[in-house]
Amino acid sequence: KAGVTQTPRYLIKTRGQQVTLSCSPISGHRSVSWYQQTPGQGLQFLFEYFSETQRNKGNFPGRFSGRQFSNSRSEMNVSTLELGDSALYLCASSLALGEEETQYFGPGTRLLVL
Amino acid sequence: AQKVTQAQTEISVVEKEDVTLDCVYETRDTTYYLFWYKQPPSGELVFLIRRNSFDEQNEISGRYSWNFQKSTSSFNFTITASQVVDSAVYFCALSEAGDSNYQLIWGAGTKLIIKP
Repeated sequence: KAGVTQTPRYLIKTRGQQVTLSCSPISGHRSVSWYQQTPGQGLQFLFEYFSETQRNKGNFPGRFSGRQFSNSRSEMNVSTLELGDSALYLCASSLALGEEETQYFGPGTRLLVL
Repeated sequence: AQKVTQAQTEISVVEKEDVTLDCVYETRDTTYYLFWYKQPPSGELVFLIRRNSFDEQNEISGRYSWNFQKSTSSFNFTITASQVVDSAVYFCALSEAGDSNYQLIWGAGTKLIIKP
């Protein structure tokens, strides 16, 4: 079974631009979560989607948004990029069938904002 | 509020030594889940273990073992006979039941260096 895939793996943007990252979950998984990882703040939860609906959202500004498609693939978008948005963005998927859920992570997208 | 503390920022040991990574958590929920993940230099987080709050049995998987103690709110991870391939950053995480089930609260991570 293929794991979680994320594209692109690396991205360089400049301040003010916007970016879209993609995540394809493990086949059959219905929940997709996004996390930001930086040296200063560590791992922080961005949001979680299930059946095309955002169920949970972390404490990030409105510039960070996401969506999920009917095939469970998810995208996250960051508008008006700032230098501080440079980070590793990790996507995780889970079956979402019960309470004891495990999230499986993709390799991440490394975003550098210049 | 939920919180996960990994007080050890970095640990360095010589190969074949045993090493324990500490994790202390805070939560008001009675039902919660604890996780350990490994992050090698490639960046991908690798799932190691999940434990729910009602199961305090210790677990052993090969050279890895976990000690869950609700009385001290700790979920420590021990690697026996460490190997160079164990070098990575290890994260402890917490999730609570219900709507927040899919939101992981992370510790800061412990960087483990195994020297040959």
